[in-house]
Amino acid sequence: SQQGEEDPQALSIQEGENATMNCSYKTSINNLQWYRQNSGRGLVHLILIRSNEREKHSGRLRVTLDTSKKSSSLLITASRAADTASYFCATDGGNQGGKLIFGQGTELSVKP
Amino acid sequence: ETGVTQTPRHLVMGMTNKKSLKCEQHLGHNAMYWYKQSAKKPLELMFVYNFKEQTENNSVPSRFSPECPNSSHLFLHLHTLQPEDSALYLCASRPTEGETQYFGPGTRLLVL
Repeated sequence: SQQGEEDPQALSIQEGENATMNCSYKTSINNLQWYRQNSGRGLVHLILIRSNEREKHSGRLRVTLDTSKKSSSLLITASRAADTASYFCATDGGNQGGKLIFGQGTELSVKP
Repeated sequence: ETGVTQTPRHLVMGMTNKKSLKCEQHLGHNAMYWYKQSAKKPLELMFVYNFKEQTENNSVPSRFSPECPNSSHLFLHLHTLQPEDSALYLCASRPTEGETQYFGPGTRLLVL
């Protein structure tokens, strides 16, 4: 079954606004990661949150994790046009083998 | 730049052609991955290699043949592909003790 469903599938905001993307997953996890992908390029790791953590910050990024609801959110504050990209959550499915299961992603468009 | 390179960046091939995709990393990582990314679909894990040994084949058709001659190089040999195999093929690597994957820029493949 698919892991890591993102919501919304697409989000369009103005520069300076905050962007919130949500991710739901189905199995137990050891950690959840968020990646960013510029159009037609590879993915870049943004942040990792472990199953025993509830919130984590990195610059303008804030990630929350609710293991009871099997969901996570990524907040980008004070968005910039350069934040325009697709954002994916990925979980390890509770295994230790280094395999990640990605969601379909949220396509974020930040208008100047 | 993540330190993972892929060549070629773009490839157009006929259904009867044979071609190879190359991935290279000199990050000292021992795990390497091939993913397929089709439009409007989540990343699909294809193959996983750990210390040059294949540890995962995600039911990939035999027209895709991976090769990992050493921990720094990963190939994907392609033969008699179908138009539905057109996609962005992404390579990633991971350090043995880490959970984050480092992605290459991808090869955009078009099968005619």
